[in-house]
Amino acid sequence: QKEVEQDPGPLSVPEGAIVSLNCTYSNSAFQYFMWYRQYSRKGPELLMYTYSSGNKEDGRFTAQVDKSSKYISLFIRDSQPSDSATYLCAMSVRYAGGTSYGKLTFGQGTILTVHP
Amino acid sequence: DADVTQTPRNRITKTGKRIMLECSQTKGHDRMYWYRQDPGLGLRLIYYSFDVKDINKGEISDGYSVSRQAQAKFSLSLESAIPNQTALYFCATSDGQSSNYGYTFGSGTRLTVV
Repeated sequence: QKEVEQDPGPLSVPEGAIVSLNCTYSNSAFQYFMWYRQYSRKGPELLMYTYSSGNKEDGRFTAQVDKSSKYISLFIRDSQPSDSATYLCAMSVRYAGGTSYGKLTFGQGTILTVHP
Repeated sequence: DADVTQTPRNRITKTGKRIMLECSQTKGHDRMYWYRQDPGLGLRLIYYSFDVKDINKGEISDGYSVSRQAQAKFSLSLESAIPNQTALYFCATSDGQSSNYGYTFGSGTRLTVV
């Protein structure tokens, strides 16, 4: 079993829809949670990050973490064609005694297409 | 110039050939990583280095080796390429601090082994 499982999609939605992207994980030591966005033929770019359980909002994007269920989500409101990309969840443990995070473990990625 | 530069961008090589993928960064980060990306499998860690003298295997290091020539340079080698190493390879950097989350990725090297 992979440490991080991501709903594979692909997802195809009309412009303006609310999109929900999800990942589950098995390693309870994960404490840093991130979402990356990857456009075609580009490297992934950090979109959102969070350290704690709960919600974090940034414009049209909301990242949600439920550590008790080992489940994270990314919501996109009022989706736009420019949101069409591959979305990757990623997570890391926190090194004991420090504030640094270690290597990231990624989900498989979800391809999202938003139609005009 | 890009913060993380990977060369070459595309490469086709024959089975059994040795090939090196190069990565350089201007971020000043100590930590560097090599990942490969395959459809449906996401990004999988090959090797990582937390400083010049520190090299660690990732989850899929067999068939690969790395060299950290300087803080800014981290190369990935395939000693004898095989077709199932056909993939998109990414180099990434980070400073690992919780005040500055996330990796900076290069644009990738698309490698095809025939």
